[in-house]
Amino acid sequence: AQSVAQPEDQVNVAEGNPLTVKCTYSVSGNPYLFWYVQYPNRGLQFLLKYITGDNLVKGSYGFEAEFNKSQTSFHLKKPSALVSDSALYFCAVRARISSGSARQLTFGSGTQLTVLP
Amino acid sequence: EAGVAQSPRYKIIEKRQSVAFWCNPISGHATLYWYQQILGQGPKLLIQFQNNGVVDDSQLPKDRFSAERLKGVDSTLKIQPAKLEDSAVYLCASSLAPSGTGQYNQPQHFGDGTRLSIL
Repeated sequence: AQSVAQPEDQVNVAEGNPLTVKCTYSVSGNPYLFWYVQYPNRGLQFLLKYITGDNLVKGSYGFEAEFNKSQTSFHLKKPSALVSDSALYFCAVRARISSGSARQLTFGSGTQLTVLP
Repeated sequence: EAGVAQSPRYKIIEKRQSVAFWCNPISGHATLYWYQQILGQGPKLLIQFQNNGVVDDSQLPKDRFSAERLKGVDSTLKIQPAKLEDSAVYLCASSLAPSGTGQYNQPQHFGDGTRLSIL
């Protein structure tokens, strides 16, 4: 079964500093990988995805993520954090060749990012 | 473009009562999803529709949950009877469904959800 691990429940970073939110995954075959952000009392918003090709993916609001196949990781990064980036971040995975339950998008448990002024 | 619309935003019921949620996806999105998000967890897929057909309902507790998407647009999710453990946010999402493997890498667009509290 496919799975996603976000090892940190909480990440704190000072405004202006770089941020990293970690994600590792397990899936049969090659993955599609996604990052979503959730603000309080709102639904999830899509940030970026990895399909194939360049391991560094750029997304919305200055976020980027690096796909590392050997480490089965897809960490979210931003060079300079803003207070407005404070939110709950979810990593998600789906198998490239999808059948049965592998068709589902499997989410991690989320990482609460707090950017301190 | 208009986003995914859900109603109601909040619902409080007593256990063993019934409740229904409504979702209107983004126009043109053939695929519709219902997720359950329990506090402190990521969303868990309950059911996925493509047009008005069910693609995956393997995690839907069918003894109490039901969902339909009769005309391939709007959808309703019903719980009857509700249990205490059903307290959660119910999220609807939609996505494009191009042919081939492209359908599996489409981003999903989420509504703001319905927060259900069971007393």
